[in-house]
Amino acid sequence: EVQLVESGGGLVQPGRSLRLSCVASRFNFDDYAMHWVRQAPGKGLEWVSGISWNSGSIGYVDSVKGRFTISRDNAKNSLYLQMNSLRAEDTALYYCAKDMGNYGEHYGMDVWGQGTTVTVSS
Amino acid sequence: DIQVTQSPSTLSASVGDRVTITCRASQSISSWLAWYQQKPGKAPKLLIYKASSLESGVPSRFSGSGSGTEFTLTISSLQPDDFATYYCQHYNSYPWTFGQGTKVEIK
Repeated sequence: EVQLVESGGGLVQPGRSLRLSCVASRFNFDDYAMHWVRQAPGKGLEWVSGISWNSGSIGYVDSVKGRFTISRDNAKNSLYLQMNSLRAEDTALYYCAKDMGNYGEHYGMDVWGQGTTVTVSS
Repeated sequence: DIQVTQSPSTLSASVGDRVTITCRASQSISSWLAWYQQKPGKAPKLLIYKASSLESGVPSRFSGSGSGTEFTLTISSLQPDDFATYYCQHYNSYPWTFGQGTKVEIK
């Protein structure tokens, strides 16, 4: 079964950093774009960042630009999100998600992890 | 940035009802729109991609339509398993955005 497993969440003070990881299994990871999506407690979904199969195309939501960095290591089937200068409003469940389209195509996100929780609080 | 506005935010319906949810984009996104279902404590599930293509394994009572700026998700006959929150999401260009969500409740 195709699977994504996130890790790296936790409780962190405002202004500090955290690195999320997502390990993929049972699909050709290096063929697909990958994304991070978050959901604050009791709120809706927010797309955070996406990265193309070859890291050639990267995007961020405006609220995290300059603070978060997405990256991937295709040799390790892994996706990362480096989060710096964290704020209380970054508190959320962070999901890793696989793009349905391969190479340069996009069709939405068809495989999701179970999420990892980030809490930013003093 | 392209915004997507979803309506209604809450919908009360009965089993067997036909349900329609609307999503409007702030500018044309062609057919680059997806619909997701999310149940409490669970990750979202892709239902529809490219505005009207049904994801594998999704029941045929779900359908999507529209292009440009106006889109709809229709559940032809609401089943007990369908009570959940539904989101539209555009993927025309970065940054992608989700609609605010529509919670489908039991009437």
